[in-house]
Amino acid sequence: GEQVEQLPSSLIVQEGASVLINCSYTDSASVYFPWYKQEPGKRLQFIIDIRSNMERKQNQRLTLLFDKKTKHLSLHITATQPGDSAIYFCSASINSGTYQRFGTGTKLQVVP
Amino acid sequence: DAGVTQTPRHEVAEKGQTIILKCEPVSGHNDLFWYRQTKIQGLELLSYFRSKSLMEDGGAFKDRFKAEMLNSSFSTLKIQPTEPKDSAVYLCASSQLGGQDTQYFGPGTRLLVL
Repeated sequence: GEQVEQLPSSLIVQEGASVLINCSYTDSASVYFPWYKQEPGKRLQFIIDIRSNMERKQNQRLTLLFDKKTKHLSLHITATQPGDSAIYFCSASINSGTYQRFGTGTKLQVVP
Repeated sequence: DAGVTQTPRHEVAEKGQTIILKCEPVSGHNDLFWYRQTKIQGLELLSYFRSKSLMEDGGAFKDRFKAEMLNSSFSTLKIQPTEPKDSAVYLCASSQLGGQDTQYFGPGTRLLVL
């Protein structure tokens, strides 16, 4: 079945820096890739998504890049703030009749 | 809309007990998911319902875990009998279009099995 992996598993950056979180998947039939964020003590929440017919999507300080050929995604966060400290999850799904497979998560800590 | 609600928020059980966790999805959502979250394994799917029908039952969790959805606005997850390795956070999520749509997560139930 589909395997979703994320790297790095954790990172610490200074406030204002940019970060890159990488995600790879195995099933070439995957077409939808939502990302979620889980702040300490809070519920997971959706932050950005991309479909397989796109290469790039931006939402304010978040940019999501998708490479169908290499089965790879990258989430770029610019001008990081302490409020960005959270665990970020990548996920992948084939179609509406199936569920999303989640990556193992990347823990981001932004220090002032 | 209050979003996805889960009760209880915390549960402590003795080994061998039966516990029931509850979830109310977002009103109007057709799909409901139960996950187990641990630091080591991450998010593991336990069950997936579409319009109250069980679509996936999470394979490895079949023997002691049973999720039910008797109506479109309420689901339960029963763990029977509990074991210490079941200690984790149990998450419920709902969406409109299953795998092709944003999932809305509940706050989770933190279970400790002694």
